[in-house]
Amino acid sequence: GENVEQHPSTLSVQEGDSAVIKCTYSDSASNYFPWYKQELGKRPQLIIDIRSNVGEKKDQRIAVTLNKTAKHFSLHITETQPEDSAVYFCAGRSGGSNYKLTFGKGTLLTVNP
Amino acid sequence: DTEVTQTPKHLVMGMTNKKSLKCEQHMGHRAMYWYKQKAKKPPELMFVYSYEKLSINESVPSRFSPECPNSSLLNLHLHALQPEDSALYLCASSHGAPRSGNTIYFGEGSWLTVV
Repeated sequence: GENVEQHPSTLSVQEGDSAVIKCTYSDSASNYFPWYKQELGKRPQLIIDIRSNVGEKKDQRIAVTLNKTAKHFSLHITETQPEDSAVYFCAGRSGGSNYKLTFGKGTLLTVNP
Repeated sequence: DTEVTQTPKHLVMGMTNKKSLKCEQHMGHRAMYWYKQKAKKPPELMFVYSYEKLSINESVPSRFSPECPNSSLLNLHLHALQPEDSALYLCASSHGAPRSGNTIYFGEGSWLTVV
């Protein structure tokens, strides 16, 4: 099955700096990679996703890049703000299952004012 | 409206109790999910219903019993749970399978404590 590794497990940045979170996956047939943000005590919320036929996608301060050859994808947050502080999960859709997302272990991002 | 509604928000139950978690969506989604999330861990898939039929059971113990009465509702029946089953239970839905980028939307979750 799919295995998704996520790094780092914790990340602390100063407000206004950029933050980068990286994930690798094992199943070369995986073709859908969402990123979820989960604030303390709240639900995971989709912030951006990318399909395997696209190399990069941007939405305002957030971008995701995908390198299919290397089987890794990254989340980039620019001009970080304190409200960006949360746990971020990457995920990949297993090639052998239409419905199962395999999540990374999460990154706790802290943006210091 | 991208809303998945879960009730109750909090539930405390004894190990001999029978209770149910409920989930509802009115987005016309045909896939619905139950996930379990422990503190500081990612969500773990438990069950998937596709077009009201059980599509995936991730080897979940029989003390958890899912039910999909119709395309908008998903229940999780709980019986004889153990303290280690205490967790956040998340319901989710998607238009179809996420294979084509169908977004999975999560509900706010039900916090379950087994005493």
